[in-house]
Parts: sequence; C-alpha cells; structure tokens
Amino acid sequence: AQSVSQHNHHVILSEAASLELGCNYSYGGTVNLFWYVQYPGQHLQLLLKYFSGDPLVKGIKGFEAEFIKSKFSFNLRKPSVQWSDTAEYFCAVKDTDKLIFGTGTRLQVFP
Amino acid sequence: DTAVSQTPKYLVTQMGNDKSIKCEQNLGHDTMYWYKQDSKKFLKIMFSYNNKELIINETVPNRFSPKSPDKAHLNLHINSLELGDSAVYFCASSQVVGMGTQYFGPGTRLLVL
Repeated sequence: AQSVSQHNHHVILSEAASLELGCNYSYGGTVNLFWYVQYPGQHLQLLLKYFSGDPLVKGIKGFEAEFIKSKFSFNLRKPSVQWSDTAEYFCAVKDTDKLIFGTGTRLQVFP
Repeated sequence: DTAVSQTPKYLVTQMGNDKSIKCEQNLGHDTMYWYKQDSKKFLKIMFSYNNKELIINETVPNRFSPKSPDKAHLNLHINSLELGDSAVYFCASSQVVGMGTQYFGPGTRLLVL
C-alpha cells in the first residue's frame, strides 16, 4: 500500500519568506497527488492536485507543487508567504479507492 | 451553499454512551467517506460508501457503524464510546469512487469524558 511522508512537521517563517514543504510517496506507477490545507478550526480544502500532464501544478492562493517521478516527490511551494497562510498542510496520494494522508506540516507565519 | 455538511459540529459525551454524526452532500457525488483526525492531526480513512454500498472498511472497531440511507447521506453511529474515540471526524465526498477530488465537511469534534 501507498504511504506518504512529510518530513517537515513544523515550519516557522516570517512574512514574505519563501516556502517549500516536502512530500514523498512510497511507490511509483500512476499516481494522483494532492495538497490540502486546514486553517485553524476549519475543514480541509484542496490547494492543488496532480493527475497527469505538466508536472508543475498551480493551485489556489499562489501555491504550486512539482511532481518529480524519479524522486517520488510532490513538494509544495510558495514564493512569498503571508500571515494568512498559517495552517496545517497535508499531502495525500490516492491508493485504489482511498486517500492516504501524510502526517501534516504545521506552518506558522509571523508578521 | 454548503457542499458537505455535518451535524453536530461539537459533541461532548460520557464514556459508554452511543452517539451519531450525520453527513450530507449536495454535490451529486456517488461516493462518501468518513475520516478520523486524531489529536496529532493525523488523518485516517475509516469508511467509504459508493451509492449506498460499503466499499472501504479500514479495520475500524465494530462499535462504529456507518449507514447510508441514500447516496447523499452517510451517517456514523458509535456505540459504547471510549476515551480514545475523542477526535475530529470528517465526512467527505467525491464524484466517482477512487477518482477525482474529495470535498470535506467542516468536521465534528467529539470529546469523550
């Protein structure tokens, strides 16, 4: 079965800093990959997804992610974070009929 | 318009009680899911239903029983609640089983005392 690793458990940044959150999945073949965000006290919202095609995926709120098949990675990036990006970020991979989530990365952005 | 809704939002109860959480989606999706998010924010799937039929049951104690009266609703009933059941429970739906994006509800925060 698939598994997902998010190595950054807690990231603290100042506003305007660049962000990169790591995500690795366990095995190859055709993969569907997702990044979800959970703002404090709220439900999960989809940031972006990769199914096929261009490995550089643009999402909402200025986020993007790059699928690198050779590295089994799908890292999330944003060139300049804002205080409002403070949230929990989850990478997920589709495994047959279900989503397997990583353990999440808590991002804190200070003004 | 709320795409995936859950009730109640908060649930505080004593050990040993039986409680239910309701979920409804108005997206016309065929598949619905229940996830549990523990205190460390780890999200794990519990159940999935496609068109009222159970398709995923992820080693969840049989105290948990999902029920899908129609494809727009997936309720979760929990018998004999235990302290370890305290978590946030998220409902989600997707258009086709195993395909596409899953849309999540706002979550139900369950606290068992």
